[in-house]
Amino acid sequence: KNEVEQSPQNLTAQEGEFITINCSYSVGISALHWLQQHPGGGIVSLFMLSSGKKKHGRLIATINIQEKHSSLHITASHPRDSAVYICAVGHNQGGKLIFGQGTELSVKP
Amino acid sequence: DAGVTQSPTHLIKTRGQHVTLRCSPISGHKSVSWYQQVLGQGPQFIFQYYEKEERGRGNFPDRFSARQFPNYSSELNVNALLLGDSALYLCASSWTGANNEQFFGPGTRLTVL
Repeated sequence: KNEVEQSPQNLTAQEGEFITINCSYSVGISALHWLQQHPGGGIVSLFMLSSGKKKHGRLIATINIQEKHSSLHITASHPRDSAVYICAVGHNQGGKLIFGQGTELSVKP
Repeated sequence: DAGVTQSPTHLIKTRGQHVTLRCSPISGHKSVSWYQQVLGQGPQFIFQYYEKEERGRGNFPDRFSARQFPNYSSELNVNALLLGDSALYLCASSWTGANNEQFFGPGTRLTVL
């Protein structure tokens, strides 16, 4: 079993839909990161959080430390949101990032 | 300010050769991490350096080595290349490590023939 699990692995949505991507982890963490990767490889950091909730534009990230679970929500989805969304946790021993396998999101117009 | 830069962007090598990949962090960042991303999978941690010291190493063979220079730039070296080393190699910089926001470079796509 992977230390970081994401679901779903693939997601297709219609423009305007509310989207949720889930991340569960099994290790002790110092922080959880949500990343966005576009075709070609570039990775952009969306959020880093260690508790509670953060919001940036149409994106919302939440984390429940007790349940070792985080969600990334996209409101009013748009085709430009199409990308791979990756959950990564900062291990509390050594500081390395452990990545989930990613969720490939496709938003259709 | 310039973001994280990596060179080269693409590289084709043959089995048995060695390769050196380079990364320049954002100015002021003292931590550099290297990741390998095989097609269709999430990145895997290779190394982390902070203040020129190796802080962590992933589950990679000794053919993989790295170092960080006094200006905080970093090199990843891979010897005796195998076909399975073909991947996107990502560098990320941060102030001190995984407790900080990570800034990723564009990656170096390595193809081993």
